[in-house]
Amino acid sequence: SQTIHQWPATLVQPVGSPLSLECTVEGTSNPNLYWYRQAAGRGLQLLFYSVGIGQISSEVPQNLSASRPQDRQFILSSKKLLLSDSGFYLCAWRTTGKLYGYTFGSGTRLTVV
Amino acid sequence: ILNVEQSPQSLHVQEGDSTNFTCSFPSSNFYALHWYRWETAKSPEALFVMTLNGDEKKKGRISATLNTKEGYSYLYIKGSQPEDSATYLCASPSTGGYQKVTFGIGTKLQVIP
Repeated sequence: SQTIHQWPATLVQPVGSPLSLECTVEGTSNPNLYWYRQAAGRGLQLLFYSVGIGQISSEVPQNLSASRPQDRQFILSSKKLLLSDSGFYLCAWRTTGKLYGYTFGSGTRLTVV
Repeated sequence: ILNVEQSPQSLHVQEGDSTNFTCSFPSSNFYALHWYRWETAKSPEALFVMTLNGDEKKKGRISATLNTKEGYSYLYIKGSQPEDSATYLCASPSTGGYQKVTFGIGTKLQVIP
């Protein structure tokens, strides 16, 4: 069965510090991978998606970047965090075909102080 | 940009009451509509995927309908229980694919025992 792992679960980081959130998927190959963020009072916002190794599409100009160094690994990074980067980050993968939705990771609560 | 709206944003009901809430989306170029259930401290969990006008889906006490011509979907919960307390998200991919899926802000349901 397919599973998705995301860590850490919570993170408190000072402004200006770097960030690295990791997401790995098991039980599938060549998944489409996504990073979403939910800021306070807002819906889930697509940040990045990747259809393959080294392929990253960015949806929103921001202080973050993403990388996909391996088929089943997706990393969200920042060199210098801003207060506005606080939020709940979710990694997700999706099988192809319109009948299938996302499978989400457990999420990371990031608080930038 | 595809706008997905959900209402109400929050809802309190008594245990045993039935309830419903709405997801609206642009009816042009419709592709699919997803409902997710998101409990606090857990990952969003897929409930339904709906693609055809007039679709009705059911899972236990929860059901959903879809009207693609007028651009809305209703989620119904019959005889609400405290364990139904969660945020219910709807999401719709843009035309032709899942690279850009827009989520609504969600309806946060609290069932009072």
